[in-house]
Amino acid sequence: EIVLTQSPGTLSLSPGERATLSCRASQSVSSSFLAWYQQRPGQPPRLLIYAASNRAKGIPDRFSGSGSGTDFTLTISRLEPEDFAVYYCQQYDNSLPMYTFGQGTKLEIK
Amino acid sequence: QVHLQESGPGLVKPSETLSLTCTVSGGSISAYWWSWIRQPAGKGLQWIGHIDNSGSANYNTSLKSRVTMSADTSKNQLSLKVISATAADTAIYYCATSSYTGFDFWGQGILVTVSS
Repeated sequence: EIVLTQSPGTLSLSPGERATLSCRASQSVSSSFLAWYQQRPGQPPRLLIYAASNRAKGIPDRFSGSGSGTDFTLTISRLEPEDFAVYYCQQYDNSLPMYTFGQGTKLEIK
Repeated sequence: QVHLQESGPGLVKPSETLSLTCTVSGGSISAYWWSWIRQPAGKGLQWIGHIDNSGSANYNTSLKSRVTMSADTSKNQLSLKVISATAADTAIYYCATSSYTGFDFWGQGILVTVSS
């Protein structure tokens, strides 16, 4: 089973700053099967990025994803107040088949 | 846009069966894959299993022996059953559309507490 490890656990930044969130896989993941989600308090997760670098419908272009193999990154170019939330990466292993999530990164206001 | 609504008992006794329904509107359940995902309070997300549009299901290996998912196309509903529930099954349960690329649409979730 592929394990996803996200870092940092908590990231403290100010509005307007750039956020860089990391997701590392225990073995190589197909870029086509790597996604990122945002979860605000009391809300279900929302798909932000799919296939490692494609923005989902309606997602602002300040959100971008990159990476391949075992290392993936979610970047928020200029933080807006509504961006402070928890972010999860997720992968699909089609050999099992099975989905797994990272443990999450909490993005908080500094 | 498809809309999903989870329903079921909010309280289940230990050793009993946790049963939930996801009612889908705005689209046919036959057109999508469907997953159940859960989240204990203050913790991360755990994929429980999915059912494809042929009715074939796959489950998380850690839950496989206790979980059953099914689809009722006549009612446009999905169901989840978890047998022999314990306190560790206490969580918010979500249904969502699923594909190779992730989970696009989510229900609002339902809190299920396992307690006597």
